[in-house]
Amino acid sequence: EAQVTQNPRYLITVTGKKLTVTCSQNMNHEYMSWYRQDPGLGLRQIYYSMNVEVTDKGDVPEGYKVSRKEKRNFPLILESPSPNQTSLYFCASSHTGQGVHYGYTFGSGTRLTVV
Amino acid sequence: AQKVTQAQTEISVVEKEDVTLDCVYETRDTTYYLFWYKQPPSGELVFLIRRNSFDEQNEISGRYSWNFQKSTSSFNFTITASQVVDSAVYFCALILNTDKLIFGTGTRLQVFP
Repeated sequence: EAQVTQNPRYLITVTGKKLTVTCSQNMNHEYMSWYRQDPGLGLRQIYYSMNVEVTDKGDVPEGYKVSRKEKRNFPLILESPSPNQTSLYFCASSHTGQGVHYGYTFGSGTRLTVV
Repeated sequence: AQKVTQAQTEISVVEKEDVTLDCVYETRDTTYYLFWYKQPPSGELVFLIRRNSFDEQNEISGRYSWNFQKSTSSFNFTITASQVVDSAVYFCALILNTDKLIFGTGTRLQVFP
C-alpha cells in the first residue's frame, strides 16, 4: 500500500530534550515536506526537500532541522524543543510527471506536546 | 501575494441540508493546482479533489461537488444532503510551480442530527 509513515503518533516530552520524528514513504517520491498545524493557522510548511541531499526552509523553520540522506526518509529533528513547538505535525510527499502535479500524500500526523 | 482564504471559520447545519464551503485563492502563476482535503476528528488529512488551472470544469462526486471559477479566483465545495459523518475540518489548498502547498486556515463543519 502506497503510504507515508510517521512515528510516533503521539509524543510528550520536556523542554530541551532532543527528539526526532521519523517519516518514510514507499512511493519513490522526490519531494517531501513537513508541516505543522496550529488552531486558526491552518498548516504551515516547516522544511521541504526536492530530492536526496537537497533541503530548504519553509515558512516556519526556526527550531527545526531536517535531513534527506535517502529518498524514502525525511526525519524532523527538534534539537531543543520548547513549549511553542507543541503542535500537530504532518509529513507529506509528492511527485510530478509530464508537467502534472499529482498532489500530496500525507502521513497520519504526530501530536507533539512539549512541557 | 500567494494565499488561500477560507473566510468561514465554522459552519453548523442540520442533517440533509446542503452546505457550501468557500475558497478564494491568490496567485500570479498561470499554472497551479487546487485541492480540497478533509480532516475528520481522528486527525488525518484525506484528499478529496485536485483541479488544475487549465481545467475549469465543475466536478461532482456523489454528494460532493466543486465549482472552480478562475474569473473570481474561487474553488468552492458543496456538500448536498449533509450527513453527520461529514463533520470535519475542510482545507482548501494551492500548489504552485514550486511544489509548495499553501493551505487555507480551514472551515470546521458540524452536521447535527
